[in-house]
Amino acid sequence: AQRVTQPEKLLSVFKGAPVELKCNYSYSGSPELFWYVQYSRQRLQLLLRHISRESIKGFTADLNKGETSFHLKKPFAQEEDSAMYYCALRAAGNKLTFGGGTRVLVKP
Amino acid sequence: GAGVSQSPSNKVTEKGKDVELRCDPISGHTALYWYRQRLGQGLEFLIYFQGNSAPDKSGLPSDRFSAERTGESVSTLTIQRTQQEDSAVYLCASSLPLTGTRQETQYFGPGTRLLVL
Repeated sequence: AQRVTQPEKLLSVFKGAPVELKCNYSYSGSPELFWYVQYSRQRLQLLLRHISRESIKGFTADLNKGETSFHLKKPFAQEEDSAMYYCALRAAGNKLTFGGGTRVLVKP
Repeated sequence: GAGVSQSPSNKVTEKGKDVELRCDPISGHTALYWYRQRLGQGLEFLIYFQGNSAPDKSGLPSDRFSAERTGESVSTLTIQRTQQEDSAVYLCASSLPLTGTRQETQYFGPGTRLLVL
């Protein structure tokens, strides 16, 4: 069975500092990984997906199959990045397996 | 356009009562998903509908949980004889039809917060 682990429940950084959210997964097939974000009082929304290899709001994530990781990074955090972040893996069909989430707090 | 909507936004019930949660997906989205999020935890997959195919019920935690979908529109998640451990936020998501290996973005509703006393 697939599993997604986000070891940090809370990350607190100062504005302008780099931020990295860790995500590790276990899955026997070829993984499809996503990062979802939930800002305060908003609904969960897709941030980025590994297949697109894109940068969204300054965030990037690289799939490392050797380390089974999909860490999310941003070189210079902004206050508006404060939110809950969830790493997710897509298995059969389109159902997602989510990690426990990491709360990011960017301090001024 | 309108996003995924869910009702009620909050529900408080007594242990042992039945509850029904409703989800209205985005028009044209034939795939619909239910997830549960307990306090401080990630989302757990419950059930997935894709068009006229048999639903994937592999995530339903017990036979007290069931879900229906009318065609390609509204879905209801029913929890019978609620227990305190059913307290959670229930999230619905919808997406375009799956085609081959294409990833289809899931769009989430605001959730229904259920509290079982």
